Amino acid sequence: QKEVEQNSGPLSVPEGAIASLNCTYSDRGSQSFFWYRQYSGKSPELIMFIYSNGDKEDGRFTAQLNKASQYVSLLIRDSQPSDSATYLCAVNRGGYSTLTFGKGTMLLVSP
Amino acid sequence: ETGVTQTPRHLVMGMTNKKSLKCEQHLGHNAMYWYKQSAKKPLELMFVYSLEERVENNSVPSRFSPECPNSSHLFLHLHTLQPEDSALYLCASSQTPRVMNTEAFFGQGTRLTVV
Repeated sequence: QKEVEQNSGPLSVPEGAIASLNCTYSDRGSQSFFWYRQYSGKSPELIMFIYSNGDKEDGRFTAQLNKASQYVSLLIRDSQPSDSATYLCAVNRGGYSTLTFGKGTMLLVSP
Repeated sequence: ETGVTQTPRHLVMGMTNKKSLKCEQHLGHNAMYWYKQSAKKPLELMFVYSLEERVENNSVPSRFSPECPNSSHLFLHLHTLQPEDSALYLCASSQTPRVMNTEAFFGQGTRLTVV
């Protein structure tokens, strides 16, 4: 069973703080890793993807990947109330870009 | 035009009804997907179509029947559904599914309630 695990939260952080979202995956053959944001009642939208070990930065967002530990994280700097959403971690199993999703972590940023 | 459009946005149907969900993508992609999102469960991949050919079917009950007439359109035909099939059904599209970093773009979803 190939699984993607996330803490369901909610993760509560004050405005301006760093939010750290974590994800582990079971399939060592996973090659690409995606973070999607989903607002309540809306569809998921891609924030970042990463496929090499290390960090990848895009604006306030940093994705971190450690394949040896089968761990991927998303850091959100200077968190804003508008960042409040559910963050979905997804991994690509290779071959086709069919994504396996975690249940998501709800993030709440308080003003 | 948004990238991936789904209709209807909301659907209530009885267990004996037959209905269809429609998805259209305007991104020039050649792969389309149906996902199911239930409360407190991960997004579940149902079907994958690449160049109008079904390439993945994740043990989905036969009461769900997909159809992909061309690379821009995808349907999910529903018949004799069960209340546990109530969920958000999301369509997605991507470019060249064999490329590992290809991201999927999602439609707004159809909120289905089976009564």
